[in-house]
Amino acid sequence: LAKTTQPISMDSYEGQEVNITCSHNNIATNDYITWYQQFPSQGPRFIIQGYKTKVTNEVASLFIPADRKSSTLSLPRVSLSDTAVYYCLVATRGGRRALTFGSGTRLQVQP
Amino acid sequence: DTAVSQTPKYLVTQMGNDKSIKCEQNLGHDTMYWYKQDSKKFLKIMFSYNNKELIINETVPNRFSPKSPDKAHLNLHINSLELGDSAVYFCASSQGEGFSYEQYFGPGTRLTVT
Repeated sequence: LAKTTQPISMDSYEGQEVNITCSHNNIATNDYITWYQQFPSQGPRFIIQGYKTKVTNEVASLFIPADRKSSTLSLPRVSLSDTAVYYCLVATRGGRRALTFGSGTRLQVQP
Repeated sequence: DTAVSQTPKYLVTQMGNDKSIKCEQNLGHDTMYWYKQDSKKFLKIMFSYNNKELIINETVPNRFSPKSPDKAHLNLHINSLELGDSAVYFCASSQGEGFSYEQYFGPGTRLTVT
């Protein structure tokens, strides 16, 4: 399982764009990159998933360079409600290997 | 409608007791999971079932026993509870088998062992 490394915490202000980068140097050919968001006292919630290049949905964008050794979750114009922990996950489709989400990145958005 | 539900939400019990946590999903998914989130917020897979078949059984003490009566339910029974079992336990489900598929998580069960 590709090990991931993320910053422990980040601070931002309302209305700013936030970019959270995840390193996954030993990502395998069949691995996908998925990001989850977790609010206090709730279960994680799927945000976005990608394999290469750029993926965009109504919530975020995911940028993946050609070598796929890292990925960047971009949250446009964050609000206070975006304060949460963000987890980067790398896993093979159909894979049954053990999984730990890691400690994630704690994003604090200030007014 | 709640997609993945867990009961109870809070569970406080004493060492040595046996307890169960129930999970139900109404998404029609084939795969269900149990995760443990410790105080450092690491979320670690414990078990995974696909169509009622156990497919992942991580290094978890055999005091923990999952049971899947049908595709929509995955319960977790814990025998002889220990202090170190205190954590938040999350149930999740996905349409496909494997962690790359979008998982839907329940609200969690906070277990406190005293």
